[in-house]
Amino acid sequence: KAGVTQTPRYLIKTRGQQVTLSCSPISGHRSVSWYQQTPGQGLQFLFEYFSETQRNKGNFPGRFSGRQFSNSRSEMNVSTLELGDSALYLCASSLDSGGGYGYTFGSGTRLTVV
Amino acid sequence: AQSVTQLGSHVSVSEGALVLLRCNYSSSVPPYLFWYVQYPNQGLQLLLKYTSAATLVKGINGFEAEFKKSETSFHLTKPSAHMSDAAEYFCAVSRGSQGNLIFGKGTKLSVKP
Repeated sequence: KAGVTQTPRYLIKTRGQQVTLSCSPISGHRSVSWYQQTPGQGLQFLFEYFSETQRNKGNFPGRFSGRQFSNSRSEMNVSTLELGDSALYLCASSLDSGGGYGYTFGSGTRLTVV
Repeated sequence: AQSVTQLGSHVSVSEGALVLLRCNYSSSVPPYLFWYVQYPNQGLQLLLKYTSAATLVKGINGFEAEFKKSETSFHLTKPSAHMSDAAEYFCAVSRGSQGNLIFGKGTKLSVKP
């Protein structure tokens, strides 16, 4: 079956702009999580959605937001981009919330802010 | 608060040698533990997971890890390294009810011919 699909793969944006990233989970998976990966901070949790509800949120400013649709697809939005938002953004899907099922990750969206 | 410590940001082994990547966790409740591998410009691939069943967990590509509660460790091993094992490896813990993964800083594995 198809894996986790993230679009686009690469993105270049200007400081101050906003960006929307998309994630399509594995069919049947209802939980979608987002992570930011940077060389300095490593992998950090942004938020998790389950059945269109945000279940859990990491320690990121309000400029980072997300949503999940009824088909479990998820989007994350970053407004007023800063240079420090340059990162690999990874989406992960799971059958259910709670971690026990493990998470399958997509290939990520590489965001560069100039 | 949960945390994960991976000892050694870089590990270099010769092809055919034992691979040992160290991971220690702190958690107030029995955790779920994971090892992921990341190849350049790719996402994370699950190698194996511990979910309170057997303490010795076998994963893909010949990797295995042993959960030792007394040492709060979950070290990753492979008996014989292959060139294709060169990648970055991440240990992660999840408290279950909260769901999100907390990752270690990662260990880059180099394999010398």
